Amino acid sequence: TQLLEQSPQFLSIQEGENLTVYCNSSSVFSSLQWYRQEPGEGPVLLVTVVTGGEVKKLKRLTFQFGDARKDSSLHITAAQPGDTGLYLCNAGGTSYGKLTFGQGTILTVHP
Amino acid sequence: EAGVTQFPSHSVIEKGQTVTLRCDPISGHDNLYWYRRVMGKEIKFLLHFVKESKQDESGMPNNRFLAERTGGTYSTLKVQPAELEDSGVYFCASSQYRSFEQFFGPGTRLTVL
Repeated sequence: TQLLEQSPQFLSIQEGENLTVYCNSSSVFSSLQWYRQEPGEGPVLLVTVVTGGEVKKLKRLTFQFGDARKDSSLHITAAQPGDTGLYLCNAGGTSYGKLTFGQGTILTVHP
Repeated sequence: EAGVTQFPSHSVIEKGQTVTLRCDPISGHDNLYWYRRVMGKEIKFLLHFVKESKQDESGMPNNRFLAERTGGTYSTLKVQPAELEDSGVYFCASSQYRSFEQFFGPGTRLTVL
């Protein structure tokens, strides 16, 4: 069974601070996605990474896929209250099938 | 372009009753997936359709759950009879053929009393 572990599980910070969320596994993945979910809504895709060592930037968000494709990080610079939400990492295996999810990181950014 | 839609958004039923959830994927997406999150747990895979065929149903909890995708368009997930532990949020996702990127619907919150 492929398991993804996210850390931290909860994160409460002040507006303007930087933060990093981690997603780790003992398994190798063909791809890894980061999603953000708000209450009452489904997860919304932020980014997909497929190449080991890949770094993608989305405004103030920086995503990195580990060289061995077993881990990833999400870094947010100068967090804003609008960044508040549940951040989920999930990963595909060797096919275009099911995704394996981490338990998520609940981020709260206080004004 | 419309996203993935799910109906109903909420359902409250009693133990032993039957409930049918519906998912309409993004038009043209061959892949359709069902996932579930029960309280305090991570989102878990239930099954995967490619068009009307079940590609992977390894995540289906038991034979009280029946998923169909007649015609390869929308899908239904029926729970019969519902048990207390079936409560949770059921998500549907779809993707284009041979794409890693799945697009999720808003989910159906099922409460079994």
